[in-house]
Amino acid sequence: KNEVEQSPQNLTAQEGEFITINCSYSVGISALHWLQQHPGGGIVSLFMLSSGKKKHGRLIATINIQEKHSSLHITASHPRDSAVYICAVSGGSQGNLIFGKGTKLSVKP
Amino acid sequence: DAGVIQSPRHEVTEMGQEVTLRCKPISGHNSLFWYRQTMMRGLELLIYFNNNVPIDDSGMPEDRFSAKMPNASFSTLKIQPSEPRDSAVYFCASSLAMGASGYYEQYFGPGTRLTVT
Repeated sequence: KNEVEQSPQNLTAQEGEFITINCSYSVGISALHWLQQHPGGGIVSLFMLSSGKKKHGRLIATINIQEKHSSLHITASHPRDSAVYICAVSGGSQGNLIFGKGTKLSVKP
Repeated sequence: DAGVIQSPRHEVTEMGQEVTLRCKPISGHNSLFWYRQTMMRGLELLIYFNNNVPIDDSGMPEDRFSAKMPNASFSTLKIQPSEPRDSAVYFCASSLAMGASGYYEQYFGPGTRLTVT
């Protein structure tokens, strides 16, 4: 079993829809990261959180430490949101990231 | 700041050749990470350094892989000899590290796409 599980693997949405991507993990963590990888391949950090909720523009990330679960929400989705969204965790005193397999999002106009 | 710089961006080489990938972290960052991304396995850690010292190299697949960080502004990942199964995108990332108090957001380089024929 992977230490970080994401769902769904693939997601197709119509422009304007509200999108949710889920991440569950089975290890102790110091922080959870949401990353975005565009078709060109570059990886950008969207959020790093260890509790509660963070918001940046149309993106919202939440985490429930007790349930070992996080969600990434995109409101009013747009075709430019099309990318792979990767959940990753960093644990304890270790700084390295353990990655989920990613969710490939495609937003159609 | 220019961000994390990796070179080359693309590398095509023949099996058996030596390959050297280079990374310049963001100035002031004291943690550096090498990751590999393949279709089959996704992103996985190869090795990471804290203050130029290798902390965890358990992800290095075998002795053909080696990494160095001679100073705070430069790191190399070397594969010798290279094999077709090494074909992947190799990412370097850097962050601030505060020891036991935690690590910070990681900034990724653009990656090096390696193809071994």
